[in-house]
Amino acid sequence: DTEVTQTPKHLVMGMTNKKSLKCEQHMGHRAMYWYKQKAKKPPELMFVYSYEKLSINESVPSRFSPECPNSSLLNLHLHALQPEDSALYLCASSPLTRQGAGGYTFGSGTRLTVV
Amino acid sequence: SQQGEEDPQALSIQEGENATMNCSYKTSINNLQWYRQNSGRGLVHLILIRSNEREKHSGRLRVTLDTSKKSSSLLITASRAADTASYFCATDAGGNFNKFYFGSGTKLNVKP
Repeated sequence: DTEVTQTPKHLVMGMTNKKSLKCEQHMGHRAMYWYKQKAKKPPELMFVYSYEKLSINESVPSRFSPECPNSSLLNLHLHALQPEDSALYLCASSPLTRQGAGGYTFGSGTRLTVV
Repeated sequence: SQQGEEDPQALSIQEGENATMNCSYKTSINNLQWYRQNSGRGLVHLILIRSNEREKHSGRLRVTLDTSKKSSSLLITASRAADTASYFCATDAGGNFNKFYFGSGTKLNVKP
């Protein structure tokens, strides 16, 4: 299995809702990532998990809450989002080597619309 | 914050021609990667080049890295309509192996 699976593919939520994005990989990668991408912009790093521990938080607002229950799963819990949080949310994984992270494998993303 | 900038922002060529995209970055790196993205969906990893490497090839792709100029280039030879996509470089933050930042991207259009 050489894929990263993200669910749901599309999500519309109100500003008072709580929802979760899910990401799963079975490649044995020990680093997992959340990126946010606005239209016609590059992906922006949000969170990095290494060996199931949060290693990087790029000053993301607390209305985004990541969770890594095990080495195959990564969640992003959403609460009280704003319309400007509407974007494509991308999950990625990579192996970790002594030379650093290997190439990322990206999921196809969740397109989130906040209304 | 973005580490890399790419140029050109957009490139339009005929099928069969070569396409060259450039990436410049600001701080020292361990690794640089190139990715392709179709229609705003997931990104596909193309090539990873390490800071001690100068050139890598993969099929019709050739990547060069000049750490003294803090720049990299991606060459796609004999382009095809299916190569139409956005191309991004991604660099780590030198001391942090896991922290990759994406450049602004080049939108390539290959006309049949």
